[in-house]
Amino acid sequence: GAVVSQHPSRVICKSGTSVKIECRSLDFQATTMFWYRQFPKQSLMLMATSNEGSKATYEQGVEKDKFLINHASLTLSTLTVTSAHPEDSSFYICSAYTRTDTQYFGPGTRLTVL
Amino acid sequence: DAKTTQPPSMDCAEGRAANLPCNHSTISGNEYVYWYRQIHSQGPQYIIHGLKNNETNEMASLIITEDRKSSTLILPHATLRDTAVYYCIVRADTGGFKTIFGAGTRLFVKA
Repeated sequence: GAVVSQHPSRVICKSGTSVKIECRSLDFQATTMFWYRQFPKQSLMLMATSNEGSKATYEQGVEKDKFLINHASLTLSTLTVTSAHPEDSSFYICSAYTRTDTQYFGPGTRLTVL
Repeated sequence: DAKTTQPPSMDCAEGRAANLPCNHSTISGNEYVYWYRQIHSQGPQYIIHGLKNNETNEMASLIITEDRKSSTLILPHATLRDTAVYYCIVRADTGGFKTIFGAGTRLFVKA
């Protein structure tokens, strides 16, 4: 079946630095990708919708200047956490739709900000 | 906001059927019922979906009530590897619609 990959799988960074997370659709083109965040023992929270060739749409309460999303091609979306702080430590998950409207999720990226 | 209600947790004995209920009383006519599961520290995995008819695949069966206000996911022979959080989601089945997750049901399969 279709596969969505994320890189890196885990990252540890210092407070104040920026971290980029990549989401790739490996064998299909995705015009729309989604980014989620998940804190321990909580459900997935939708952060934003990433649209190829246009600006991302952010959910209410998500800071667009802090979580920069770029969807430069049909197979790649990136999420950059700018000036990361310990409260940004979380599990970040992306997902993408295939042309048959089936949604696949990436394996997630665990971010730890020291 | 999530449009579904699920019990927070359930237990099931290994080898027995696991029946996970979901209430979606405000479901619209064009919305499907989707089930995903998330094993610890992994991304969600698609299980099954349906509109109004019962569905079955190699992983599970989905039973949707006639009024479509509730459904049940059935894992016919649960194994220890089925221990996960199961999410019931309602969503229109057209491309690009975002998936909103509720709290899900944490299923514990015990030996």
